[in-house]
Amino acid sequence: EAQVTQNPRYLITVTGKKLTVTCSQNMNHEYMSWYRQDPGLGLRQIYYSMNVEVTDKGDVPEGYKVSRKEKRNFPLILESPSPNQTSLYFCASSPRGGVHSYEQYFGPGTRLTVT
Amino acid sequence: GENVEQHPSTLSVQEGDSAVIKCTYSDSASNYFPWYKQELGKRPQLIIDIRSNVGEKKDQRIAVTLNKTAKHFSLHITETQPEDSAVYFCGEEGSARQLTFGSGTQLTVLP
Repeated sequence: EAQVTQNPRYLITVTGKKLTVTCSQNMNHEYMSWYRQDPGLGLRQIYYSMNVEVTDKGDVPEGYKVSRKEKRNFPLILESPSPNQTSLYFCASSPRGGVHSYEQYFGPGTRLTVT
Repeated sequence: GENVEQHPSTLSVQEGDSAVIKCTYSDSASNYFPWYKQELGKRPQLIIDIRSNVGEKKDQRIAVTLNKTAKHFSLHITETQPEDSAVYFCGEEGSARQLTFGSGTQLTVLP
């Protein structure tokens, strides 16, 4: 089954404790991205990757890191989480080709709480 | 990313009526405009999209119109049904090839 998976789905942690949220897709998509969703603010892009070893900052990259060593995986790293990073996080992938953009397939989401 | 403004933030309609959600953008080079639907507790899913070389696109009860001159695009849902109740997000991809979403519209279809 074609899908985007995220782990963990729920996480409660404390300020300053490093964490990683994994994202994996099995559709051979070039493009992957991370969003955070907060009430009234919609979906805001954190980082995106056009292909392996290529990553770019989105609108809200502060406090986050990403890596794209393999095409299928795009982990989100919070080196020192803070309470303002409490949010719902979505990973997404897309079969972007050339100059055209296509549908983004979202993962199920990760609910993160930082106390 | 470029700024995308979405209105209204909440919308209630009677079942069977039409619903219209509008988004405005600022980058004249924007070329891709998707609409996503997010049901409660679920992930966003694409319902329709339009590219800058097209003015209108329809898919059954859903349509999107694009006015490049005025830099706005709208989602139209006709004959609304209870299962249309959800949060709808517009998206815009500009010259930086980064997809930016609007803040969302909570649509409630009243029986």
